[in-house]
Amino acid sequence: GNSVTQMEGPVTLSEEAFLTINCTYTATGYPSLFWYVQYPGEGLQLLLKATKADDKGSNKGFEATYRKETTSFHLEKGSVQVSDSAVYFCALEGTYKYIFGTGTRLKVLA
Amino acid sequence: GAVVSQHPSWVICKSGTSVKIECRSLDFQATTMFWYRQFPKQSLMLMATSNEGSKATYEQGVEKDKFLINHASLTLSTLTVTSAHPEDSSFYICSGTSALGGTDTQYFGPGTRLTVL
Repeated sequence: GNSVTQMEGPVTLSEEAFLTINCTYTATGYPSLFWYVQYPGEGLQLLLKATKADDKGSNKGFEATYRKETTSFHLEKGSVQVSDSAVYFCALEGTYKYIFGTGTRLKVLA
Repeated sequence: GAVVSQHPSWVICKSGTSVKIECRSLDFQATTMFWYRQFPKQSLMLMATSNEGSKATYEQGVEKDKFLINHASLTLSTLTVTSAHPEDSSFYICSGTSALGGTDTQYFGPGTRLTVL
């Protein structure tokens, strides 16, 4: 069946550090892939998405590339800010529903 | 982007009472809405999928008589937790799919925190 695996957190970085959060997936076919962000006490917000192989999703300095050959969709940002502290969820669109990873908590220190 | 609201944002109730949570799509028609439950520091667990005008489809292990879902219109879905107990305390999140996204992108509400005493 479909599944999503994310690196375990928490991830703690200093401001302006480079961020990578790994995400790999197992799926039949070619599902759309998403990254969502959840700030404390809030619901999920769509951060970026990619709908086919080699697509790159980007938003707010974050980016992720749909890699079919490695079944990955790693999230990257070149220079994180304190305001990026949140939980990040990788997800794929399965048959009429989403499959979420377990989430990775990011803490950015000033 | 598409906006989904939830009401209330938080609720505290006594054990044995029922609680209704509303989920509204404010600027799009959500033909399908989803209800999730999130435990502290954990991922989202899909509870059920509802299509407007039809009965909800519940995930395995979710009691449909306890978590009543109604999707009466293209902009409103409700989740009623019946005879709530402390173990039902959780963060409940809804989402809707929009044709605006081009694919079946889900837009999430801000969540409702339920505390059962």
